[in-house]
Amino acid sequence: NAGVTQTPKFQVLKTGQSMTLQCAQDMNHEYMSWYRQDPGMGLRLIHYSVGAGITDQGEVPNGYNVSRSTTEDFPLRLLSAAPSQTSVYFCASSYSNLAVEGSYNEQFFGPGTRLTVL
Amino acid sequence: DAKTTQPPSMDCAEGRAANLPCNHSTISGNEYVYWYRQIHSQGPQYIIHGLKNNETNEMASLIITEDRKSSTLILPHATLRDTAVYYCIVRVRGGSNYKLTFGKGTLLTVNP
Repeated sequence: NAGVTQTPKFQVLKTGQSMTLQCAQDMNHEYMSWYRQDPGMGLRLIHYSVGAGITDQGEVPNGYNVSRSTTEDFPLRLLSAAPSQTSVYFCASSYSNLAVEGSYNEQFFGPGTRLTVL
Repeated sequence: DAKTTQPPSMDCAEGRAANLPCNHSTISGNEYVYWYRQIHSQGPQYIIHGLKNNETNEMASLIITEDRKSSTLILPHATLRDTAVYYCIVRVRGGSNYKLTFGKGTLLTVNP
């Protein structure tokens, strides 16, 4: 049981390049999410998914795309990288649908991807 | 648009109890309070959650005031490995769904 895995661990991009951050979980969790964390800041929600084929926006969705074709995978795509997207990106998953009022459960986080955009 | 307020930093002596406060005055009646921590640059780790009653697990205790407007996370015997940023989280409603978002948290430093 690997939990939540993220690849790559580190990435350097040039402005305008595109790339996909990979996230996978083997716990059969329906809820998955992406956060970004900037220096000295907490985590901000980018996008989340409550199941295969269902995604929604978080606090800071601009510049990012997501899709959820399988329960296991939730990739995050940067279409045209900008220096403002330099950050640490965390993927997380949960057994419960955290978008539903009154639901509760813990989120399991991946180790993060450290992205630098020059 | 933080829904919780936490002190930015706190110190605690090793072996002593660490009491981390959090204000969440706008919490709705059936929403839980969650606590997570982040050690160095690792992914956040779930600690505990609660609704109305006090909760305890192997990691910590959670004390929630009767009006539910604030809570305190207690680490009964802090160790150096408990040095981390602690996040108190209340979900917020955005559109038709709820979102779990993090504020800046409290940096707890456990000193020898």
